[in-house]
Amino acid sequence: GDSVTQMEGPVTLSEEAFLTINCTYTATGYPSLFWYVQYPGEGLQLLLKATKADDKGSNKGFEATYRKETTSFHLEKGSVQVSDSAVYFCALGGPTNAGKSTFGDGTTLTVKP
Amino acid sequence: NAGVTQTPKFQVLKTGQSMTLQCAQDMNHNSMYWYRQDPGMGLRLIYYSASEGTTDKGEVPNGYNVSRLNKREFSLRLESAAPSQTSVYFCASRAGTSGSNEQFFGPGTRLTVL
Repeated sequence: GDSVTQMEGPVTLSEEAFLTINCTYTATGYPSLFWYVQYPGEGLQLLLKATKADDKGSNKGFEATYRKETTSFHLEKGSVQVSDSAVYFCALGGPTNAGKSTFGDGTTLTVKP
Repeated sequence: NAGVTQTPKFQVLKTGQSMTLQCAQDMNHNSMYWYRQDPGMGLRLIYYSASEGTTDKGEVPNGYNVSRLNKREFSLRLESAAPSQTSVYFCASRAGTSGSNEQFFGPGTRLTVL
């Protein structure tokens, strides 16, 4: 079945540091890939997505590129802020699984001033 | 436009009690989902509904039942709560039935079973 493996956390960075959170996946067919963010006490919200190989999703300074050859969708940001402290989830979804999504376990990011 | 709403926000139950978690969306979405979130375990799918009138089991359905009351509402019922059901519960919805579309999540219900 489908699966998503995320870099284990927690991750602690200083403000303005470079961020990478690794995500690799196993899936049949050609899934869409997502990064969701969960701020403390809230539900998940979409951060960015990519629907086909070599697509780059971007939002709020975050980027991730759909790499089919390495089955990866790593999240990056050049300069993190304290307000980026949250839990980040990598997920995949495809048209053949009744609309269900598969989520990674989440990576907790803490950014210190 | 409220998106996905959930009630209650917090609940404490005693072992053996029953309760229903309510979820509603105002985006005219076809698909709705119930997840539970436990520390270090990400999100696990309990039940989902691809359209009004249909429901299917997810990864961890035991101890739960669901009702897709209409297109807007999807409720989750715990018939006899157990401490293992202490968790944060999220409802989500999605346009259409394709997993290529993003999901929209509610704010969650934090449930403690004593």
